[in-house]
Amino acid sequence: ETGVTQTPRHLVMGMTNKKSLKCEQHLGHNAMYWYKQSAKKPLELMFVYNFKEQTENNSVPSRFSPECPNSSHLFLHLHTLQPEDSALYLCASSQDAGGNYGYTFGSGTRLTVV
Amino acid sequence: GQQLNQSPQSMFIQEGEDVSMNCTSSSIFNTWLWYKQDPGEGPVLLIALYKAGELTSNGRLTAQFGITRKDSFLNISASIPSDVGIYFCAGTNFGNEKLTFGTGTRLTIIP
Repeated sequence: ETGVTQTPRHLVMGMTNKKSLKCEQHLGHNAMYWYKQSAKKPLELMFVYNFKEQTENNSVPSRFSPECPNSSHLFLHLHTLQPEDSALYLCASSQDAGGNYGYTFGSGTRLTVV
Repeated sequence: GQQLNQSPQSMFIQEGEDVSMNCTSSSIFNTWLWYKQDPGEGPVLLIALYKAGELTSNGRLTAQFGITRKDSFLNISASIPSDVGIYFCAGTNFGNEKLTFGTGTRLTIIP
């Protein structure tokens, strides 16, 4: 596959569940990102990874735990979420961390917390 | 930190109309990017601008890199139903660690 692939596309989970979001890119990019997009709100950067190392955590609650085992894969582990965490979670990758050539986004995971 | 103000926040237009939106920054950027997000999908890069004053087209879309380096503009000519979505501007400088995104302009076409 080309581009950035996110799975699952949709996820409904209870507040006591543990689930993981997966992101995969085979573009040879070195940086990967997690964004949260709530209804009618701007894109919120959550985490930045550059060459597998986390370079930014934008004050994200600890119930969100990222993992980047290699430059091609990024996970977001979720546990004890709240209803207000319901949103579209977008993964992106870029050739360089600064995004001078733009980010390539996945289609997102629509998360609903019940 | 850097901030990008995008306007208008939303637009309601009729099919066939032209559309203009802009983005202003509190600081200078060396790169301006414009993205479109279809409902339920991730944003897709439309146009990239790398030089002050640069004017670049992609079909019916035209974007400009402002001379001051603090703003950028996107125009859509003769809008069609598939133009519906959210348009984001983004800016960065060489050496930065991430893109800064605007707040988005939501485009709706009225039947």
